[in-house]
Amino acid sequence: GQSLEQPSEVTAVEGAIVQINCTYQTSGFYGLSWYQQHDGGAPTFLSYNALDGLEETGRFSSFLSRSDSYGYLLLQELQMKDSASYFCAVRGDNQGGKLIFGQGTELSVKP
Amino acid sequence: DTEVTQTPKHLVMGMTNKKSLKCEQHMGHRAMYWYKQKAKKPPELMFVYSYEKLSINESVPSRFSPECPNSSLLNLHLHALQPEDSALYLCASSQGAEVLTYEQYFGPGTRLTVT
Repeated sequence: GQSLEQPSEVTAVEGAIVQINCTYQTSGFYGLSWYQQHDGGAPTFLSYNALDGLEETGRFSSFLSRSDSYGYLLLQELQMKDSASYFCAVRGDNQGGKLIFGQGTELSVKP
Repeated sequence: DTEVTQTPKHLVMGMTNKKSLKCEQHMGHRAMYWYKQKAKKPPELMFVYSYEKLSINESVPSRFSPECPNSSLLNLHLHALQPEDSALYLCASSQGAEVLTYEQYFGPGTRLTVT
């Protein structure tokens, strides 16, 4: 089976850096995705890591260590608009098209 | 155009009603998805269509019936729903299923209330 673990809540202040961790347990692994969802909105794709290392996209970076079954999303120069839920997700093993989401981390950015 | 559209935005229906949710994308994506999402929970996969054929049904009750009339459209037909089916129903698309499922584009969702 597949399972992903991430913290349920994280709080940080504007301008700070925050890291949201995700550990996964899968019988096969094809890469780790990250999605952002604002309250009342739709999930939005942020990043994807198939190989070990850091991927940077503006203020957001995502890291993957396949040997540790671990990844994280790093948000820099936090802004109030970054307050949202963040989900890590993996492709379901042997099931094309099935994306399995973690339970989500609710990020609150305070002034 | 990187938009997935869904109609209606809100829907209230009784347990004996029949209604349909609609989803449309014009990105040339060949995989389309229906998800159900409850408050403070992750999206829960219901169905996957790949090249207009149903490829995954996550053991969804038959009161939910998906349809893919063409590569741009996806419908979800609802009949005899239960109050516990009240949720946000999200449609998504990706360039393909399998390898390319990691990057999905979601519509804004239909907020469904069953009374």
